[in-house]
Amino acid sequence: DTGVSQNPRHKITKRGQNVTFRCDPISEHNRLYWYRQTLGQGPEFLTYFQNEAQLEKSRLLSDRFSAERPKGSFSTLEIQRTEQGDSAMYLCASSLSETSHNEQFFGPGTRLTVL
Amino acid sequence: AQKVTQAQTEISVVEKEDVTLDCVYETRDTTYYLFWYKQPPSGELVFLIRRNSFDEQNEISGRYSWNFQKSTSSFNFTITASQVVDSAVYFCALYYGQNFVFGPGTRLSVLP
Repeated sequence: DTGVSQNPRHKITKRGQNVTFRCDPISEHNRLYWYRQTLGQGPEFLTYFQNEAQLEKSRLLSDRFSAERPKGSFSTLEIQRTEQGDSAMYLCASSLSETSHNEQFFGPGTRLTVL
Repeated sequence: AQKVTQAQTEISVVEKEDVTLDCVYETRDTTYYLFWYKQPPSGELVFLIRRNSFDEQNEISGRYSWNFQKSTSSFNFTITASQVVDSAVYFCALYYGQNFVFGPGTRLSVLP
């Protein structure tokens, strides 16, 4: 399977714990995006990478959130000291084009539940 | 401010009816891209179409068609002869600068 994969698919954690999610993009894609989607809403942009460089961060991304893409391939999104408001689906997407922004290919998402 | 509005929260139609999903966007950029995505019950977003701001040609792909009108800042999506498998949440999205903005989505239910 050569699509975008995300792990884990589901994560349940207690408030205050740290969690880390992983995204493996389509192999030749140089751009990688993270979004958050809450029930009944559209995805909200969090951040994106071009290769290993993090080029844009939404103001939604508080200092408890950090994302990395160390080798320009897979990416991790870490949330420290989770809060109940962090409960959401976290989506990863990748794309190839640097200029025309061809379609983004989305992964299945990681559903986070903070108790 | 950049914004995407999908005024229809939910639509229900009977199979074989035509249905149009509305999308209105706001942007000050002259160069931007508009997208439609489908999110079926399985949850994974599926790309349907991308249109850049300089291309106002309407597009048809099978039962799907899109009407882009810059004068009204609208990018509407029509499904002809709807099928049960079309049941999903449909998102319109705007790409400008370095950011994507998604609309709140329209939940389409196609009844047999």
